[in-house]
Amino acid sequence: EPEVTQTPSHQVTQMGQEVILRCVPISNHLYFYWYRQILGQKVEFLVSFYNNEISEKSEIFDDQFSVERPDGSNFTLKIRSTKLEDSAMYFCASRSLQGYGKDTEAFFGQGTRLTVV
Amino acid sequence: RKEVEQDPGPFNVPEGATVAFNCTYSNSASQSFFWYRQDCRKEPKLLMSVYSSGNEDGRFTAQLNRASQYISLLIRDSKLSDSATYLCVVRYGGSQGNLIFGKGTKLSVKP
Repeated sequence: EPEVTQTPSHQVTQMGQEVILRCVPISNHLYFYWYRQILGQKVEFLVSFYNNEISEKSEIFDDQFSVERPDGSNFTLKIRSTKLEDSAMYFCASRSLQGYGKDTEAFFGQGTRLTVV
Repeated sequence: RKEVEQDPGPFNVPEGATVAFNCTYSNSASQSFFWYRQDCRKEPKLLMSVYSSGNEDGRFTAQLNRASQYISLLIRDSKLSDSATYLCVVRYGGSQGNLIFGKGTKLSVKP
């Protein structure tokens, strides 16, 4: 069964450092997303990406965040200068194109646990 | 404002019990509705989509009331393996819209 893969599974970084979280979406999917979940809290939308550009971003997704799809397979989230409050599980998701009025399922990767110390 | 509200629980039920979860959403422009399941420290996984006419998948039944902006999930004959957090999820904004998650309702099924 095709799946979304994320690397690394766990990343520990010092405050102020840059991190890149990597995702390989399912190959024929066209919509890509990043979500985060702080421990004990709800899953929060960060950004959506379609047709090689950001479709929508939340208030959380400020100037320290950026996304890229550099090579047609990887989808990355960069956090430029990490803060303690960036510690969370980061989930990548992908979805195929909606067709014939039917919504399509978003598949989530297993997540990257980011710990900022 | 886009909000999805759920009773956080926890719901502690014996095996074989029937349990119901409720959810309300704030934005009437919502397009699609889902229940996801999340096991501890794992990714959310789609349990079922929710259709206006209501839908059933085995022991699980989902209902949607657009007028009341209310979604429900009923689990019959609970199994130990049903223990998880159940997330009410709403898609806004059409086919490109993103998912907005409720905080989830924790279910614990005991022997």
